[in-house]
Amino acid sequence: ETGVTQTPRHLVMGMTNKKSLKCEQHLGHNAMYWYKQSAKKPLELMFVYSLEERVENNSVPSRFSPECPNSSHLFLHLHTLQPEDSALYLCASSQGTAGLTDTQYFGPGTRLTVL
Amino acid sequence: QKEVEQDPGPLSVPEGAIVSLNCTYSNSAFQYFMWYRQYSRKGPELLMYTYSSGNKEDGRFTAQVDKSSKYISLFIRDSQPSDSATYLCAMSATTGGSYIPTFGRGTSLIVHP
Repeated sequence: ETGVTQTPRHLVMGMTNKKSLKCEQHLGHNAMYWYKQSAKKPLELMFVYSLEERVENNSVPSRFSPECPNSSHLFLHLHTLQPEDSALYLCASSQGTAGLTDTQYFGPGTRLTVL
Repeated sequence: QKEVEQDPGPLSVPEGAIVSLNCTYSNSAFQYFMWYRQYSRKGPELLMYTYSSGNKEDGRFTAQVDKSSKYISLFIRDSQPSDSATYLCAMSATTGGSYIPTFGRGTSLIVHP
């Protein structure tokens, strides 16, 4: 595996379910990100981790809970979601700690549908 | 006013056409400008980046930044059906010590044979 991988690629869940999204980067990067991408809207930054510590939480509802056990793995735990949370969830990583010219490398995303 | 404005399209052009994709922005502190390409069912991939004003060319792609007008462009020459994708602009600044880029909502480009 190379680059940034995400599992599962597709997820359908009910509003009462609990599920987790997984991201893994094989690039030796130090920063990892969760984004939400909804149709016709800009990418919305959700969380940033740098060296396994959360450095930014962009006013995300508590039903989304991130976890970064090490610099290569990032999880997004989901519980009691709403239908409006249906979107493409993208993980990204970058070499440094979110510097000005840090290039972000994105995974393919998890397409989430909340029924 | 949104920080970054980008027309979602779709923009449909014939193969071989010159394509112009644009973004406007309001934050004069933006210094680093990027273009990402996103194919269907894939994550965005960095296409080009420029720092401050000016032009940058890479093969069939030219990125242009006009900071005085707060306007950036991506030109694609001799467009191909394989260029069909969504193109997202992104830009970042040093405000508050956070360099996280701000994205436009993307322009869908369709190049038909």
